[in-house]
Amino acid sequence: NAGVMQNPRHLVRRRGQEARLRCSPMKGHSHVYWYRQLPEEGLKFMVYLQKENIIDESGMPKERFSAEFPKEGPSILRIQQVVRGDSAAYFCASSPRGEQYFGPGTRLTVT
Amino acid sequence: AQRVTQPEKLLSVFKGAPVELKCNYSYSGSPELFWYVQYSRQRLQLLLRHISRESIKGFTADLNKGETSFHLKKPFAQEEDSAMYYCALSPILNYGGSQGNLIFGKGTKLSVKP
Repeated sequence: NAGVMQNPRHLVRRRGQEARLRCSPMKGHSHVYWYRQLPEEGLKFMVYLQKENIIDESGMPKERFSAEFPKEGPSILRIQQVVRGDSAAYFCASSPRGEQYFGPGTRLTVT
Repeated sequence: AQRVTQPEKLLSVFKGAPVELKCNYSYSGSPELFWYVQYSRQRLQLLLRHISRESIKGFTADLNKGETSFHLKKPFAQEEDSAMYYCALSPILNYGGSQGNLIFGKGTKLSVKP
C-alpha cells in the first residue's frame, strides 16, 4: 500500500488563479480529511468527506474554497481566485475507521 | 472552546537526558488524545494514542483529566528522536464510529544533541 498520495507537492499560483489539490487515499479508506497549516501554526481542520458526501465542512472558509470526493478518483480541494493568505501547506489524511494516515502535503505559494 | 496548547516551540536536550513535551487541552467532553511526529522530510505519522496505552519508541503519555494534560515523556532521549511533535485531540467515536476531525497544537520541535 503506497500510502496517501498528494499531488502536486508544490504549486505556485498567481493571485486570482485557481488552485486544485489532489488527494488519493490509501486503498480501502473511504474517509478523507483536509487540513491547512499556515507558517508557524499547527494543522487546522478544513473538511471531512466520505465518498460523494461532505460530512463536516466547519473548517472551510465560506468563500472560494470547495472540496469533493467523487465515487471514482481522488479527492479534490479547490481554491478559486487565490490570494496571498492562501499560501500554506495543505495536508490530506485518510482513514478506514479511526486512525488517520497523512499524505506528504502540497505546499501552495501564491505570488 | 476546543483547543490544544503546546507551550514550547523548541525543546533542546542532550542525548541520554529525559525529555518531556508538554500538551494541555481544553474540551468540554471526553476527547481522544494523540501524539503525532514528523521527522525531517517525512510525513506526519501517529506516535501514540491515549486509549491504547502503548509505549512507542520508548515514549509514553498519560492522560491527566484533572489537569487536562497529555504530556509526552521519554526517560533517555536519542538523536533520532529529533523531530516535530504535535499533540492533537478528537471527539471519541464521532460520525458513526469514525474519528472526526483532529484539533492540533502548534507543535514542539525537539532537538537532541549528541
